[in-house]
Amino acid sequence: GAVVSQHPSWVICKSGTSVKIECRSLDFQATTMFWYRQFPKQSLMLMATSNEGSKATYEQGVEKDKFLINHASLTLSTLTVTSAHPEDSSFYICSARDPLQGDYTEAFFGQGTRLTVV
Amino acid sequence: GQNIDQPTEMTATEGAIVQINCTYQTSGFNGLFWYQQHAGEAPTFLSYNVLDGLEEKGRFSSFLSRSKGYSYLLLKELQMKDSASYLCAVRDRDYKLSFGAGTTVTVRA
Repeated sequence: GAVVSQHPSWVICKSGTSVKIECRSLDFQATTMFWYRQFPKQSLMLMATSNEGSKATYEQGVEKDKFLINHASLTLSTLTVTSAHPEDSSFYICSARDPLQGDYTEAFFGQGTRLTVV
Repeated sequence: GQNIDQPTEMTATEGAIVQINCTYQTSGFNGLFWYQQHAGEAPTFLSYNVLDGLEEKGRFSSFLSRSKGYSYLLLKELQMKDSASYLCAVRDRDYKLSFGAGTTVTVRA
């Protein structure tokens, strides 16, 4: 399947600081990237969709000014959690779509980033 | 939006078969996926169905009925390492995935 890599795998930050998470497609060009988060004991929820070169589309209830998404190239999207608070502690996971690579490249996830805000 | 239901927990014996059902109500159905997720890890892709019928891949099989809004994942010859959470996810026409709450499968010796 399509290979997507995230960095870092885990991060601990202080409340009020910002954290950047990277999502890279390793062997294909991702025209679209998807950002999900998973709180403990819950399932994955889509946060936002980013298209290369344009603004991200956020799901209802997700603050676009708090979760900044940049998709500046066809292989890299970044999610920045600004002014992080303990309630932002979660598992953040990305996937990527390349319509030229088959029918469901977006079904394969990066390894995830576990964010803990203290 | 999507409404996806699957059982919360299932327990089975090593070597047995377990079937995890998933029902969904959706606008713009564009495929259904099954994932395995171990604690602390990202979900791992297991199967994809977009047309009605059964897809078989080794010990795992997945079935889809679009008219009934129903799918199941069948795990055969259960092994201890199959103890995990199994997620049903529905894709819409924008390629976004909506997930069920997950089914925790416990395999006992």
